Amino acid sequence: GAVVSQHPSWVICKSGTSVKIECRSLDFQATTMFWYRQFPKQSLMLMATSNEGSKATYEQGVEKDKFLINHASLTLSTLTVTSAHPEDSSFYICSARDNYQPQHFGDGTRLSIL
Amino acid sequence: EDKVVQSPLSLVVHEGDTVTLNCSYEVTNFRSLLWYKQEKKAPTFLFMLTSSGIEKKSGRLSSILDKKELFSILNITATQTGDSAVYLCAVELYNNNDMRFGAGTRLTVKP
Repeated sequence: GAVVSQHPSWVICKSGTSVKIECRSLDFQATTMFWYRQFPKQSLMLMATSNEGSKATYEQGVEKDKFLINHASLTLSTLTVTSAHPEDSSFYICSARDNYQPQHFGDGTRLSIL
Repeated sequence: EDKVVQSPLSLVVHEGDTVTLNCSYEVTNFRSLLWYKQEKKAPTFLFMLTSSGIEKKSGRLSSILDKKELFSILNITATQTGDSAVYLCAVELYNNNDMRFGAGTRLTVKP
C-alpha cells in the first residue's frame, strides 16, 4: 500500500525558532499533499493543500507567512513553522494522494515549543 | 458550509460486542467518503466509499454509504481490545481533493 513518511516525529525547541517538517511519498508520486493540525482529543483541521510546483492553498484563518509550505517535487512537501511560539505547539500531520489513491497519512510530528 | 458529523462521540463496549459508528454529511462537490482509524499516531486508512449501497468489507470491519440520505456507517463485529481507537470519517471533495473530517468516535473496548 501507499507509504507516506513524515520527519521528524517529535520536535522540542525554543520560542522564536523556525521548524521544518518534511513529508515524503515513498512509493507513489503525490500530485497533492495536505497539511493538517490536530489538538488533543480533537479532529484533524486542514491547514493547506499543495500541488506540486504551485503555491499552496491555505484554509481560512491559517497564516501563510507563519506556515510556509513548499511542494518542490512529486514526492516531497515541507512545512516550515516560522518564529514558533508556544501556541503553535500541536500535532502536525501530512497526507498525500495521487489520482488513484485515497489520502494516506504520515505518522505525524509532535511539535512542542518552550 | 461543509459539515461532517459523527455519532456517537464516544463508546465503551466489551470484547465480543458489535458496534455501529455513524457519519452524516452535508457538503458540496462530494467525491468520496473515507473511514480512518487513529490510535496514537496518524490515521490509517480503512475504507473509501464512492457508490451507494455497496458494502465494503475487511475482516470484522464493514462499511456502507447512502448517498441519498447522506450518511455512512462503519460496523465492527466481535470487537477486540485492539479495536480501541478513534474512528474518523472524512468526506473528500472534488475541489482540489480537499477532505473534511468529522470529530471522530472514540471507541474503547474493554476485556
